[in-house]
Formats: sequence, structure tokens, C-alpha cells
Amino acid sequence: GEDVEQSLFLSVREGDSSVINCTYTDSSSTYLYWYKQEPGAGLQLLTYIFSNMDMKQDQRLTVLLNKKDKHLSLRIADTQTGDSAIYFCAEIPLTKMLYGGGKLIFGQGTTLQVKP
Amino acid sequence: DTEVTQTPKHLVMGMTNKKSLKCEQHMGHRAMYWYKQKAKKPPELMFVYSYEKLSINESVPSRFSPECPNSSLLNLHLHALQPEDSALYLCASSHGRRTGELFFGEGSRLTVL
Repeated sequence: GEDVEQSLFLSVREGDSSVINCTYTDSSSTYLYWYKQEPGAGLQLLTYIFSNMDMKQDQRLTVLLNKKDKHLSLRIADTQTGDSAIYFCAEIPLTKMLYGGGKLIFGQGTTLQVKP
Repeated sequence: DTEVTQTPKHLVMGMTNKKSLKCEQHMGHRAMYWYKQKAKKPPELMFVYSYEKLSINESVPSRFSPECPNSSLLNLHLHALQPEDSALYLCASSHGRRTGELFFGEGSRLTVL
């Protein structure tokens, strides 16, 4: 089946690291994604990881993938107040891919609150 | 130009009105999407256009009617909506080969009275 699960809320202090976790069920997904949504805005693609990778680092962001456990995490180093947002984990199962587009399966979103 | 532009940003309409939401992108993307998003929830896919043809319709009520006049434009025509249709409507686009990398617009906030 298709299901992506995330915890709903995370609160951290400015300067700390944040770790947002996600589990997914469809092992056919080739890529897994993290999107960020700031209040009143659309979603912004933060990063993605190919399913044959274990880790991807991009500046303050580190994505870890445990394919055996179907577990994905996003670590934000030195979290800033500007990182306060909702973070969505997402996948596209092979059955949902089209040549010109596809159906992303989103998690419920984790609200990250960064306290000064 | 890496933007998806949506208009209007806010729309208030009565249940008997007819209105349209518009979306435009100039990135050469061949897939365009409409999503509906309620507060504190993930976006729900409504429609996907691939190469200007409707490829996914997620059983959306007929009071929502999508249109893709060309590869850069996507419209969502609204008629006889219900108050529960009030939501943020997001347009997105993607390059044909990289299907999960969506570029989203800022959304149109719709209120149905």
C-alpha cells in the first residue's frame, strides 16, 4: 500500500540540530523527497535522495535513508528561526509515475518550531 | 525564470458564482498539477496534465473543471462550489523526466460563502 507517516510536531532551540523522521511503505519508490512550506506559501522542494543512496548532504541539510526499514530522516544543522515551517516527506511509487508527471504521496507534515 | 505564478492570490465567491484560477510557468515543464490543501494538512492531488493532456483526475467533483490551453498555462474553472471547497489551491509543474521535483506556486486562497 501507499502510506507515508511523520510525527506532527517538533520544537527545538535556535542553534540546535533538528531531526525530522518519516516512514514509508512502498519500496518501489525510486526517489524520496523533502518539501518545506512556510506560512502562507506554497511548497518548496528542499532536497531529495535516490533510493540506492544511504545519505545525501547539502549544506546544513543531511538526508539519511534506511531502505530496509523504509525510514527517511532530514537533519537540519544549526537550526535558525527561518527554518520554522511545515516539512513534508514524499515519495512516488513506480505505479504512480507517468512520463510527464506523477502522483506524489505526501506525509502529514511535521511542524518545526524554532525557539530563539 | 523558475517561478510558477498563480492568480488571484485570494478569491471569495458565493455558491452560485463562476470563477477561474489561473497558473502560468515558463520553465518548459510539460507536466502541470492542481492540488487542494486544507489548513495543517498535506496537499491533495486533484488533476495532472501531461503534455497538455489530462492524465490524472483524482475523482474530483465536476464543479471543478481544469483546462490546459497550452504548455505554459493551466486554469481551474469553478462553478457551484460548496463552503467545504474553501481551501488553498496550489498549482505545480515538473519537468517530464523528474516527476517528483515539483515547483509550486504560492497558491490561491479560496473562500466559498
